[in-house]
Amino acid sequence: DAGITQSPRHKVTETGTPVTLRCHQTENHRYMYWYRQDPGHGLRLIHYSYGVKDTDKGEVSDGYSVSRSKTEDFLLTLESATSSQTSVYFCATTPLRSGSSEQFFGPGTRLTVL
Amino acid sequence: AQTVTQSQPEMSVQEAETVTLSCTYDTSESDYYLFWYKQPPSRQMILVIRQEAYKQQNATENRFSVNFQKAAKSFSLKISDSQLGDAAMYFCAYREGDTGTASKLTFGTGTRLQVTL
Repeated sequence: DAGITQSPRHKVTETGTPVTLRCHQTENHRYMYWYRQDPGHGLRLIHYSYGVKDTDKGEVSDGYSVSRSKTEDFLLTLESATSSQTSVYFCATTPLRSGSSEQFFGPGTRLTVL
Repeated sequence: AQTVTQSQPEMSVQEAETVTLSCTYDTSESDYYLFWYKQPPSRQMILVIRQEAYKQQNATENRFSVNFQKAAKSFSLKISDSQLGDAAMYFCAYREGDTGTASKLTFGTGTRLQVTL
């Protein structure tokens, strides 16, 4: 298994507070992704990174920002959390841009916004 | 934009029997990859099987096989000799070919598979 950890694993916060989720990998993979999982929607891409300091928006990026200052860490920030951002968040990595390259997933973070 | 559709929210199969999960997708690309992921109650995403669009031969991995119909844009997963450990949510996913800045996955909404004794 790829060494991907996410922190925290569970978080409860209040509307309007900032939240940062961390993804850490030990595989030196170049590409990293943040997805959210909601019932009836599957997993949807929020943001992704194709290198240090190189990031781009995904399908559902509104209300989220990311940063990647080093290869191993990819941070997802909710500047002002809303109840609609209650979800399970997954980080994923892959070493190659090739479509055949497997994406490896972290264990997920369950975020509840009250 | 590519879309992936899983029309069966839930399926049930008896242990040792065979079940087929359906997936259709929409794309204008000719080069792409398709995947089935399994998500057990632990929430971990596990790759089950992958298919390259340029390959006519259907992929197989032990008890798991796919029926890839490129013209129909259909990608179903067949699980043979079902086991209790196969109970999980299954996601079909699409990835674009080797172009663009990064290979992003587009997921279907999932099919929850129940395995009964």
